[in-house]
Amino acid sequence: DAGVTQSPTHLIKTRGQQVTLRCSPKSGHDTVSWYQQALGQGPQFIFQYYEEEERQRGNFPDRFSGHQFPNYSSELNVNALLLGDSALYLCASSTGLKSWTGELFFGEGSRLTVL
Amino acid sequence: AQRVTQPEKLLSVFKGAPVELKCNYSYSGSPELFWYVQYSRQRLQLLLRHISRESIKGFTADLNKGETSFHLKKPFAQEEDSAMYYCAFSLRYNNNDMRFGAGTRLTVKP
Repeated sequence: DAGVTQSPTHLIKTRGQQVTLRCSPKSGHDTVSWYQQALGQGPQFIFQYYEEEERQRGNFPDRFSGHQFPNYSSELNVNALLLGDSALYLCASSTGLKSWTGELFFGEGSRLTVL
Repeated sequence: AQRVTQPEKLLSVFKGAPVELKCNYSYSGSPELFWYVQYSRQRLQLLLRHISRESIKGFTADLNKGETSFHLKKPFAQEEDSAMYYCAFSLRYNNNDMRFGAGTRLTVKP
């Protein structure tokens, strides 16, 4: 089991552009959460997907959107990029509502730089 | 607002010394609390959770509802404990919505 996989690992965009980040959860997991981690900060919760729906959302603008596919993989989309969107984006998977344990399994992240 | 505070960004101790990483939370209910750790060049991973009341790698953490704290302790630090530690909480039964503190970087010197 490769665990949680994310792509791409690094990318550079310019202000105003759009970006899509991808995540495949750990085998057996049905819930995907996305986090933004700025330099020197802890992960900040963006949103969570379960059963292909956004179930929970943190304090992020509508420029941040997502999707979950039937195979439980997920995408994070950010529109109209700002310099402040530069960060490490982490995907975490879990077993979700059916058997809540509180444990999140993280990917290695996608590092986004906005110029 | 629900929040986790880790007052120390950096903490340095010598090998064999006791270590305590502080964590305070603000929430009027009963959150579920966790410690996550990130070793150098590794992913963020769960260290221990309050609900399990377990000791992992010699670390323990006690929930003090009166002081709204969940400090992480180890009586004898080892060099391999050097890592970034994050305190986190989730509202019970609330869809794994985990909120993290800013983290404390622990360095254990030989």
